[in-house]
Formats: sequence, C-alpha cells, structure tokens
Amino acid sequence: QVQLVESGGGVVQPGRSLRLSCAASGFTFSSYGMHWVRQAPGKGLEWVTVISFDGSNRYYADSVRGRFTISRDNSKNTLYLQMNSLRAEDTAVFYCAKDYYDSSGHGFDCWGQGTLVTVSS
Amino acid sequence: QSALTQPASVSGSPGQSITISCTGTSSDVGGNNYVSWYQQHPGKAPQLMIYDVSNRPSGVSHRFSGSKSGNTASLTISGLQPEDEADYYCSSYTSSSAYVFGTGTKVTVL
Repeated sequence: QVQLVESGGGVVQPGRSLRLSCAASGFTFSSYGMHWVRQAPGKGLEWVTVISFDGSNRYYADSVRGRFTISRDNSKNTLYLQMNSLRAEDTAVFYCAKDYYDSSGHGFDCWGQGTLVTVSS
Repeated sequence: QSALTQPASVSGSPGQSITISCTGTSSDVGGNNYVSWYQQHPGKAPQLMIYDVSNRPSGVSHRFSGSKSGNTASLTISGLQPEDEADYYCSSYTSSSAYVFGTGTKVTVL
C-alpha cells in the first residue's frame, strides 16, 4: 500500500538548519508531485512547498521562500526539505504528502504520519 | 497567500446535514476548479475527502459532497454521524502555482 514515512525532526536552535526526509513506497514515486505541509501546535494546516515529479519545478509559500529548499531523489524514492535560518514560528509537525493525480491541483491523497520540528533556544 | 476563510465551528445532531463554507478570492477558489477538502481527527494526519470541488476519492462516504459558487466553496455532510466529529480544512490551487489551506472548521456532533 502507499506509504510515506517522514524523519529528521527534532529540537533545533533559532538560526540553525535541519533536513527532513520522506521515504515513499507503494507507488511510482517518480510520477507524482510531492508536497510538504506543516501544522503548528494547536493550529491549522499550512502548505509549505511542492516539487514536480521530475524536480524541474518548485514552488514555495511566502513564509519560507529563500530559507527552505525542497528536493527529491527518484532513485531512492525519497523527498527532502532543507530548512535553514529556522525561526520559533517554524515550530510545527511537518507532513509530506503526495499529489492525487500525476498533475497539479487535485489535492493530496496520501500523507505521512508527520515529524515534529521544534525551534527553541 | 492569505488563508481561505472558514467558520471556526459547526455543529449538528446525528442524522442532520451541515455545511462548511470556504471563502477565497479570484486568485484561488474563484479562479479554478481545484478545491479539495480534508478531514483530520486529533493526532492524526489529514485525509482527502473531496477533490476538484465535488469529486470523492474511492472509499469516502457518499454522505460527503462538495460544491462551489464564485469565490466560495462548500462541504456538506449529510446524515451526520459521531465519527464525523473532526477538524475540516479546505484547500485551493492558486494562480501562482501554489496552494492555500483554509483556517479550519471544528465539527461537533451533538
């Protein structure tokens, strides 16, 4: 079955960096766009970034543009999120999610369990 | 990229129907037919309930339906059941190839 497993979360000081990973299985990873979505404690969902199936297109939320970088390794069925210059307001559970169809816009039909990132001194 | 506007809470008795609204702009909800809805139970990952405004993925109950008029999309839950108690979020694709979520609605089954 389709499965996404995030890893790499933890406690990090403000201004430092962290890299999240998302291991995919059960589907043809190289055919689908992939996203990162985050949820601050007790708050709503916030879309963070998307990468196209082949990595040629990437888009970011204004709140992370210039600090976060999404990438993927289709040979390893793995999605990444490099987070630099972290701020307290980046504290959240980060989910990776898969495009429902092999084209943009149709929603996210599979989500990981999430990994918690806490930015604190 | 302002969040789409949803009511903070909606409630109903078992068997009743409720509707959750999701208001955006012509750059997102009103500009395409790529609105989706998600159900999230406490401590769990979100689940896709509706995509492309009104389509249900396989396995989602027919009690869930979606629609859109202008800049406002809506999710209706018919025959409300206790297990429908959860948070619900809308989402829209935008004219800048990004995505935006709604503020979220807590559904309570009385």
